[in-house]
Amino acid sequence: EAGVAQSPRYKIIEKRQSVAFWCNPISGHATLYWYQQILGQGPKLLIQFQNNGVVDDSQLPKDRFSAERLKGVDSTLKIQPAKLEDSAVYLCASSLPFSRGTEAFFGQGTRLTVV
Amino acid sequence: QKEVEQDPGPLSVPEGAIVSLNCTYSNSAFQYFMWYRQYSRKGPELLMYTYSSGNKEDGRFTAQVDKSSKYISLFIRDSQPSDSATYLCATHTGGFKTIFGAGTRLFVKA
Repeated sequence: EAGVAQSPRYKIIEKRQSVAFWCNPISGHATLYWYQQILGQGPKLLIQFQNNGVVDDSQLPKDRFSAERLKGVDSTLKIQPAKLEDSAVYLCASSLPFSRGTEAFFGQGTRLTVV
Repeated sequence: QKEVEQDPGPLSVPEGAIVSLNCTYSNSAFQYFMWYRQYSRKGPELLMYTYSSGNKEDGRFTAQVDKSSKYISLFIRDSQPSDSATYLCATHTGGFKTIFGAGTRLFVKA
């Protein structure tokens, strides 16, 4: 079974530039998550989709971050404009429809460096 | 105060040692507790998933939850160099948002 695919693996941009990350979840997984993991910290949930709909985006900085999930499958996360503090690993995860025992499977992440 | 506190380490042990990893949490509404393992430059992978208080064992790994003291632990018996990774505790209330600790870096020396 293929895992969660993310691209690119690494990205270096200058502050104020824009950047986009792509995620392809495990086939059949209705729930998709984007997490931000700053060095030395645990992952922080940015946004959670159930199929096409947003379930939770309370920690997404909406003035600069946006995310969409096309046709309930692939997803993109965009940052525009980027700030230095956005340097982090962006993790995508997917799971079967969320319930108490649902396991989320993570991709390898995209490491973003803003200079 | 962070909702989940975890000592970042690093923790260095010799091969074969028993490892104890711990977290504390502040919200008594948390009911579900997880331990994830994250190798360098990889995404986290679920190790253990427990509900409420008590112990759960899986091979060399034992997860323990003490809700009265808001304390969760992961024990690794007969630790191996391949166990060297960052261990993240996580919890949620049964709703959608999972809260992660900062992770403890573990090194097991051969």
